Amino acid sequence: DIQMTQSPSTLSASVGDRVTITCRASQSISSWLAWYQQKPGKAPRLLIYKTSSLEGGVPSRFSGSGSGTEFTLTISSVQPDDFATYYCQRYDSYGTFGQGTKVEI
Amino acid sequence: EVQLVESGGGLVQPGGSLRLSCAVSGFTGSYNYMSWVRQAPGKGLEWVSVLFSGGSTYYADSVKGRFTISGDSAKNTLNLQMNSLRAEDTAVYYCAREYKYWGQGTLVTVSS
Repeated sequence: DIQMTQSPSTLSASVGDRVTITCRASQSISSWLAWYQQKPGKAPRLLIYKTSSLEGGVPSRFSGSGSGTEFTLTISSVQPDDFATYYCQRYDSYGTFGQGTKVEI
Repeated sequence: EVQLVESGGGLVQPGGSLRLSCAVSGFTGSYNYMSWVRQAPGKGLEWVSVLFSGGSTYYADSVKGRFTISGDSAKNTLNLQMNSLRAEDTAVYYCAREYKYWGQGTLVTVSS
C-alpha cells in the first residue's frame, strides 16, 4: 500500500513569501499527483492535477512539480486568501491523501 | 450549473448501516470516475472509494468489506452503502467527480 507523506505539517508564512510544500510517495506513482486547498467547513478545491497542470481558475502563483516519489507545491507569493490547509493525493487507482500542511500567518 | 449534492447522513449506532447518495447534475457527457472522500472532525482528508466508468471499484483498507460504492447512471447518482459501522467512521463524507467537482458533504455520526 502506497503511503503519502507531506512536510511540513504546519508552515508559518507572511504575505509575499515563497512557500514550498513537499509530498513523498512510498513508491513511484508516475505523474498521478494532485494538490488541493481546503478552508474550514468547505470542500477541498483542486489546484494542480497530474503533478504540474494548473486547474482552471487557479491563480498562476500556484505551481506543482516532481516525478516518481517526490513532488512539490509552490506558492510564489503567498496572498491573504492562501492561508489554508493543503493536501497532496495520489490518484491512479487508489486515492490516498497526504496528512495535510496548514499554512498559517 | 454543475452540482453534487450528498444526502443520507445521520446518527447511527455502532454495527448499523447507512446508505449515502450523491445527486449529480449539470454535467454533459459521462464521468471517468467518481469517488467518496471523508474527513473526521478536526482531521485530514481520507480517501474512501472510487468507481470508474468501466465498473472497476477500489476501496481504502479501512472500509474494504464493509462499504460498497455503486452508481446509477439513469438517476445520475453515486451511492455508498456502509455496513458494520464503527465509531471511527464518523466523518463528513464528500462525493467528488474526477476530484474536480465536490459536493458540500454529509455528516455521518456513529455513536450509541
